[in-house]
Amino acid sequence: DAGITQSPRYKITETGRQVTLMCHQTWSHSYMFWYRQDLGHGLRLIYYSAAADITDKGEVPDGYVVSRSKTENFPLTLESATRSQTSVYFCASSEMGGSNQPQHFGDGTRLSIL
Amino acid sequence: AQKITQTQPGMFVQEKEAVTLDCTYDTSDQSYGLFWYKQPSSGEMIFLIYQGSYDEQNATEGRYSLNFQKARKSANLVISASQLGDSAMYFCAMSPLFGNEKLTFGTGTRLTIIP
Repeated sequence: DAGITQSPRYKITETGRQVTLMCHQTWSHSYMFWYRQDLGHGLRLIYYSAAADITDKGEVPDGYVVSRSKTENFPLTLESATRSQTSVYFCASSEMGGSNQPQHFGDGTRLSIL
Repeated sequence: AQKITQTQPGMFVQEKEAVTLDCTYDTSDQSYGLFWYKQPSSGEMIFLIYQGSYDEQNATEGRYSLNFQKARKSANLVISASQLGDSAMYFCAMSPLFGNEKLTFGTGTRLTIIP
């Protein structure tokens, strides 16, 4: 019962570098999400995907790129990392969309950009 | 637009006592979902309980129950017989009828259980 797995758990990188955060789920859930969690802002949605090859922007998409070529994977790429992107990143999935669908979260990736 | 308000930034509760974590919400939707999540110090987000706006009974999951008062727009989490392992941040969240991608979180309540 692996569920949803994020890697790496911790990452330190420098400004201007590209970094990719991985997310893999074993439930075959249709929906996947990327959030960032910052003090004072709570959890904010970056991007989400309703199915393979379907992605859409959330509240704070600037500076991020996503793809979803397979249902189980939803990587998040910071093309040119900035210090303001230092945060804890959570991937989540839900079986379907809809108000009665809980999102199930991964353990998070703590990203520090120097 | 939806909004979730959690007015208790922190709470201290004696072990084995019951605890109520407050959550109020604002929405113009007639149909919506309410969720509670737990975030321990290890950082993961754990789904606890769900309440639909049209559910007539309050949701329960083990020691967790949701005190849903639709007219007051409140969805308080009740934890019975608290345990040391209940110490964590707790987040209330809300989803509109169409699209749980619009899940809105509150700012959280840090619960500390005292032995």
